[in-house]
Amino acid sequence: DQQVKQNSPSLSVQEGRISILNCDYTNSMFDYFLWYKKYPAEGPTFLISISSIKDKNEDGRFTVFLNKSAKHLSLHIVPSQPGDSAVYFCAASLTGGGADGLTFGKGTHLIIQP
Amino acid sequence: GAVVSQHPSWVICKSGTSVKIECRSLDFQATTMFWYRQFPKQSLMLMATSNEGSKATYEQGVEKDKFLINHASLTLSTLTVTSAHPEDSSFYICSARQAIWAGSGYTFGSGTRLTVV
Repeated sequence: DQQVKQNSPSLSVQEGRISILNCDYTNSMFDYFLWYKKYPAEGPTFLISISSIKDKNEDGRFTVFLNKSAKHLSLHIVPSQPGDSAVYFCAASLTGGGADGLTFGKGTHLIIQP
Repeated sequence: GAVVSQHPSWVICKSGTSVKIECRSLDFQATTMFWYRQFPKQSLMLMATSNEGSKATYEQGVEKDKFLINHASLTLSTLTVTSAHPEDSSFYICSARQAIWAGSGYTFGSGTRLTVV
């Protein structure tokens, strides 16, 4: 049973526009959420995270929004750049302290078109 | 920033042999290390959690006798795939949690592509 779901396998966005990647989860016990960027044959690179007590976290071009009641989070990238083309994984943790491993979604392949 | 080195980056082995994958934290002490596996077009699936000096905790469905994990020091964890079979072919990734939680998540290694022929 997939506890973290990324329902869009791929997303194509024009350079300069906003990219919105979505993620849904089913386990209400998740306390901490993270977004990772991944290139083929490489490990994931951390992008941004959010605690369940917040509804928004911003870091440069990246903003993560959390809607706990809907069990939904999204990653906004604005403006999108060609270097943003990669697979983006949403991940969740039961604790914010890093004691447990992460539950990942299947990823969304973001393609930024020039 | 924190760096995790994982070796080898790829390995091809014959069915029935064992393969060892190393994961080292280069500039920090990793009290906890995690091992994941990713099949094509799938998510990263947590296999096991290891704490330095103690036995690893395996996720449901992961055979502990097949995937041996050793975390003998604060900077090194190893995953040994014993008696590998073609169905074990996958992308294996380790990640490490720093002793002081930085809130920035976990640092991942670059992964190991295992192909069993």
